[in-house]
Amino acid sequence: DQQVKQNSPSLSVQEGRISILNCDYTNSMFDYFLWYKKYPAEGPTFLISISSIKDKNEDGRFTVFLNKSAKHLSLHIVPSQPGDSAVYFCAASRKMYNQGGKLIFGQGTELSVKP
Amino acid sequence: DGGITQSPKYLFRKEGQNVTLSCEQNLNHDAMYWYRQDPGQGLRLIYYSQIVNDFQKGDIAEGYSVSREKKESFPLTVTSAQKNPTAFYLCASTMGRMVAANYGYTFGSGTRLTVV
Repeated sequence: DQQVKQNSPSLSVQEGRISILNCDYTNSMFDYFLWYKKYPAEGPTFLISISSIKDKNEDGRFTVFLNKSAKHLSLHIVPSQPGDSAVYFCAASRKMYNQGGKLIFGQGTELSVKP
Repeated sequence: DGGITQSPKYLFRKEGQNVTLSCEQNLNHDAMYWYRQDPGQGLRLIYYSQIVNDFQKGDIAEGYSVSREKKESFPLTVTSAQKNPTAFYLCASTMGRMVAANYGYTFGSGTRLTVV
């Protein structure tokens, strides 16, 4: 049962334009949502997160939007740069002790930003 | 510099052999995790440990074993019982049992395991 889904395996965007990466989840008990960026043969690096009590969080060129009623979050990158080309994972967590701090990851979306 | 070190970066295993992947962190993190990455399947949790001498199975623990004898170390053994071990393995850690929302996990750089 895939609790966190990224239905687009890949996305191609022109440099300078907006990139929008989407993520859907099924478990309404998730409290935190995070986005990670991953280059080939490297570990993921944390990008941005959002608590379920918010609907938007912004950090420079990166903004995450959360729509709890639709169980949907999105990551906006504006403007997109070639260095943003990577695989992006969304992840969700329940903030409870007995969950062990586990993160549930989506399948990832490969973003390609063309010059 | 604090971080997580995974070794080796590349590992080749013959059918029927057990292999151990190393994961060491100097971040003083309590919790450590092992994930496996396969194309199109994202990251799947193998095992995790919240404190020393304690660990729990994740979603795909069959064919794997772990130990947590020291806070800094969380080695993963891929046994011959793991039917499809070829994958990219990632180790991660976090400060405590609850994921801090502002940074989540710190990941190592991964080990690529190939069965030959």
